Amino acid sequence: AQSVAQPEDQVNVAEGNPLTVKCTYSVSGNPYLFWYVQYPNRGLQFLLKYITGDNLVKGSYGFEAEFNKSQTSFHLKKPSALVSDSALYFCAVRDEGFQKLVFGTGTRLLVSP
Amino acid sequence: DTAVSQTPKYLVTQMGNDKSIKCEQNLGHDTMYWYKQDSKKFLKIMFSYNNKELIINETVPNRFSPKSPDKAHLNLHINSLELGDSAVYFCASSPVLSGAHQTQYFGPGTRLLVL
Repeated sequence: AQSVAQPEDQVNVAEGNPLTVKCTYSVSGNPYLFWYVQYPNRGLQFLLKYITGDNLVKGSYGFEAEFNKSQTSFHLKKPSALVSDSALYFCAVRDEGFQKLVFGTGTRLLVSP
Repeated sequence: DTAVSQTPKYLVTQMGNDKSIKCEQNLGHDTMYWYKQDSKKFLKIMFSYNNKELIINETVPNRFSPKSPDKAHLNLHINSLELGDSAVYFCASSPVLSGAHQTQYFGPGTRLLVL
């Protein structure tokens, strides 16, 4: 079964510094990977996805993610963090039948001023 | 215009009651979903519908019954509410059922608290 793991419950970073939120995946077949963000008391917002092609995927709000097949990782990155980036970030993988998303446990990002 | 909307946003009710949550999408999508987010923020799919037809039912208790009157609406009715049903329920939609590239768009969530 497809799965993703987010090894960090929380990531702390100072504003202006680069940030990385980690995600590793386990799939049979090709991986189709997604990142979503959840702001407090809000729904999930789509950030970016990897289907095929370039390993560096660019998404919304200046975020990007690097797909690494050998390390089975899909880490979310941003060159310069903003306080407003503080939120809960979810990595997800499309299941084998492409009919649902399987989510990681989420990583809380806290950007301090 | 809100793409995926849910009502109500907050729902506080007593154990044993029956309640419904409504979801509407104006994206013209064929497929809609219900997800449950528990107190630890873990997200898990409950149901999916494609063109009003039930596709996924992830071992959800029979007390939960989704209904799709048309492909733009997917409602969730919950009978005999239990304390463990307290969670945030998210509705989502995607253009079609299958396809690796399909992105799901989520509603704002309904926060259900069972007392």
